[in-house]
Amino acid sequence: DTGVSQNPRHKITKRGQNVTFRCDPISEHNRLYWYRQTLGQGPEFLTYFQNEAQLEKSRLLSDRFSAERPKGSFSTLEIQRTEQGDSAMYLCASSLVAGGAQYFGPGTRLTVL
Amino acid sequence: QKEVEQNSGPLSVPEGAIASLNCTYSDRGSQSFFWYRQYSGKSPELIMSIYSNGDKEDGRFTAQLNKASQYVSLLIRDSQPSDSATYLCAVSEGAQKLVFGQGTRLTINP
Repeated sequence: DTGVSQNPRHKITKRGQNVTFRCDPISEHNRLYWYRQTLGQGPEFLTYFQNEAQLEKSRLLSDRFSAERPKGSFSTLEIQRTEQGDSAMYLCASSLVAGGAQYFGPGTRLTVL
Repeated sequence: QKEVEQNSGPLSVPEGAIASLNCTYSDRGSQSFFWYRQYSGKSPELIMSIYSNGDKEDGRFTAQLNKASQYVSLLIRDSQPSDSATYLCAVSEGAQKLVFGQGTRLTINP
């Protein structure tokens, strides 16, 4: 399977804990995106990487959120001091060309108790 | 704030009929338009992309784009129960991200 993969698929944590998610994009895709989706809403953009460079961050991304893509391959999204409002599906997508189709991974569902 | 608007539904269509899903967008500069299907609890799956005015057909799916009216639609012919899902319209903002509508929930009734 050469699609986008994400780990873990589910994460339950207590408020105040830190969590980290991983995304492995389609191998030849140099563009990687993180989105967040809550129930009944479409995905909301969080951040974008081209190769290892983080080129855009949404205003939704508070200081508690940080994302990295070392060596331009996989990416990690860390949330520090989680809050109940962080509960959502975190989606990773990758694309081959600017403005082109984005292909999503299965997502990581985060529940903050 | 760039916006993408969809009727949230639910839209109920009998099996075998044509389902018509609509989307409007606010950014006249948008160049790329996509339809994603999302089953409950799953991630979005790309089903159609369209970049120029007119129609684009792929199997039972037809995407229609009218940039002057800032309108995108998706037609599903010969609807099947397996087409029951939420359909997300997405519009590119610059070359770096997609802006999604809230999705239209479609139910195909056998």
